[in-house]
Amino acid sequence: DVKVTQSSRYLVKRTGEKVFLECVQDMDHENMFWYRQDPGLGLRLIYFSYDVKMKEKGDIPEGYSVSREKKERFSLILESASTNQTSMYLCASILTGAYEQYFGPGTRLTVT
Amino acid sequence: AQSVTQLGSHVSVSEGALVLLRCNYSSSVPPYLFWYVQYPNQGLQLLLKYTSAATLVKGINGFEAEFNKSQTSFHLRKPSVHISDTAEYFCAVSDAGNNRKLIWGLGTSLAVNP
Repeated sequence: DVKVTQSSRYLVKRTGEKVFLECVQDMDHENMFWYRQDPGLGLRLIYFSYDVKMKEKGDIPEGYSVSREKKERFSLILESASTNQTSMYLCASILTGAYEQYFGPGTRLTVT
Repeated sequence: AQSVTQLGSHVSVSEGALVLLRCNYSSSVPPYLFWYVQYPNQGLQLLLKYTSAATLVKGINGFEAEFNKSQTSFHLRKPSVHISDTAEYFCAVSDAGNNRKLIWGLGTSLAVNP
């Protein structure tokens, strides 16, 4: 079974802190995604990566950056956390040519 | 540009009832269409997909969806729902040639009552 794991299920950070969210997949997928999920807004794509060291901005990249140094790991970085970044963050991966995106369980981040 | 509209953000039904969750899409190219389900406190998982084969698609847990090209719809239904079907349901569309990226609907929250 494909497994996508995220480093934390719940995280509480203070305004201005630098925050790292880690995502690891174990099925050699080329493509990885970071989404943000908010009530009434569905899933919004923050960044995605289609190969090591490659990244593309999604729909809402402002305030975020990403890192993909190894194929299995995709990190989301909040350079200076703000309260409006309080949200559920979901990581996903997909094999090129396949149909199904596999999701991690999510990280619920609260910025106070 | 592609888009997805899910009609009804909240649906509440009784256990054993038929449920229909509506999804309409717009796409300038032949689409791939997906329904994902998110159970409470979990990530999303694929329920079913349409990839230009049969228009009636069967998925997991007794769900099915029908692709209707003329109405640009991909509605999800289940003839008899169970309390365990309480979840958030998302419809998504992708380019047939670039199925890595998905365009998501806003989701429909389904509550199944005893």
